Amino acid sequence: EPEVTQTPSHQVTQMGQEVILRCVPISNHLYFYWYRQILGQKVEFLVSFYNNEISEKSEIFDDQFSVERPDGSNFTLKIRSTKLEDSAMYFCASLLVESGELFFGEGSRLTVL
Amino acid sequence: RKEVEQDPGPFNVPEGATVAFNCTYSNSASQSFFWYRQDCRKEPKLLMSVYSSGNEDGRFTAQLNRASQYISLLIRDSKLSDSATYLCVVKLSNTGKLIFGQGTTLQVKP
Repeated sequence: EPEVTQTPSHQVTQMGQEVILRCVPISNHLYFYWYRQILGQKVEFLVSFYNNEISEKSEIFDDQFSVERPDGSNFTLKIRSTKLEDSAMYFCASLLVESGELFFGEGSRLTVL
Repeated sequence: RKEVEQDPGPFNVPEGATVAFNCTYSNSASQSFFWYRQDCRKEPKLLMSVYSSGNEDGRFTAQLNRASQYISLLIRDSKLSDSATYLCVVKLSNTGKLIFGQGTTLQVKP
């Protein structure tokens, strides 16, 4: 069964460092998303991406965040200068348009020290 | 008012019990509705879509009341493996973002 894959599964970084989280969406999907979940809190939307550009972003997705699809398969989330409050689980997802179902990756846990 | 509101629980029930979760949403323009399941420290997984006519999938029944902006999930004959957090989710459009509720935690005890 096709799945969304994410790397790394866990990253520990120092405050102020840059982090890149990687995702490989399901191959024939066209819409991609990043969500995050701070421990004990709800899943929050960060950004959606279609046709090589951002289609929607939330207030959380400020100038410290960027997304890219550099090579037609990987979909990356970059955090330029991490803050303590960026510690969370980051989920990538891709959309099966026909059913409206979003398929999530297993997540990348980011810990900022 | 929260966009999607759920009772966080936890709901502690014995095996075999019937349990119901409720959810309300604030945006009347919401188009699509879902229940997702999330196990501890795992990704959300689609449990079922929710349709206006109501729909059933085995032991799970979902209902939608657009007039009241209310969604429900009924689980019959609870199993230990049903223990998880159940997320109420709405979308404004087919390709738009998912808006998640806080989740309702269910613990099924032997």
